[in-house]
Amino acid sequence: DADVTQTPRNRITKTGKRIMLECSQTKGHDRMYWYRQDPGLGLRLIYYSFDVKDINKGEISDGYSVSRQAQAKFSLSLESAIPNQTALYFCATSRGLSSTDTQYFGPGTRLTVL
Amino acid sequence: SQQGEEDPQALSIQEGENATMNCSYKTSINNLQWYRQNSGRGLVHLILIRSNEREKHSGRLRVTLDTSKKSSSLLITASRAADTASYFCATDTFFSGNTGKLIFGQGTTLQVKP
Repeated sequence: DADVTQTPRNRITKTGKRIMLECSQTKGHDRMYWYRQDPGLGLRLIYYSFDVKDINKGEISDGYSVSRQAQAKFSLSLESAIPNQTALYFCATSRGLSSTDTQYFGPGTRLTVL
Repeated sequence: SQQGEEDPQALSIQEGENATMNCSYKTSINNLQWYRQNSGRGLVHLILIRSNEREKHSGRLRVTLDTSKKSSSLLITASRAADTASYFCATDTFFSGNTGKLIFGQGTTLQVKP
């Protein structure tokens, strides 16, 4: 089984709808991240969490919120989806033990907002 | 703005040839990482080079880092069709401490023709 899973894998929704993307991990990592990927822009950090009680905004947090329900679960919500939030969304985890941490990515969620 | 910028944006070579991708960044770093992304999939960590290292090898991968020029290169030797993917550099920032935050470049799309 994959260490980092994301659900759903694909979602089409309409403008104004509330959407939740879920991420689960079995790696036992404390740190979790949400990114969005747009063509030609690489990955941009939306939110990150060091542990259940520590959540931080990333580069592009406007229009998004997150919830860290447990060490293993980190959800991303779009309260009122808009078309420019159409993108590929990735969850990632890391151990958080040193500055040489690497990140482990989920398979991504492709979100289309009509 | 993006910390890392990659060059070229796209690269097409024949199987067996070497592929070189470059990454430039703007601020001082503790380390630089390279990730690979197969089409529509999550990113996979390839190699990490610390700021006090100049060159690192892993199998057919060779990474160099020039902190004076704020640049890194990834060389894939004897390329295979299976190397077809997008490659991203990612940097932490020297002043961010152990936040685990990475800033990704826009990526280089490599196509290896059989």
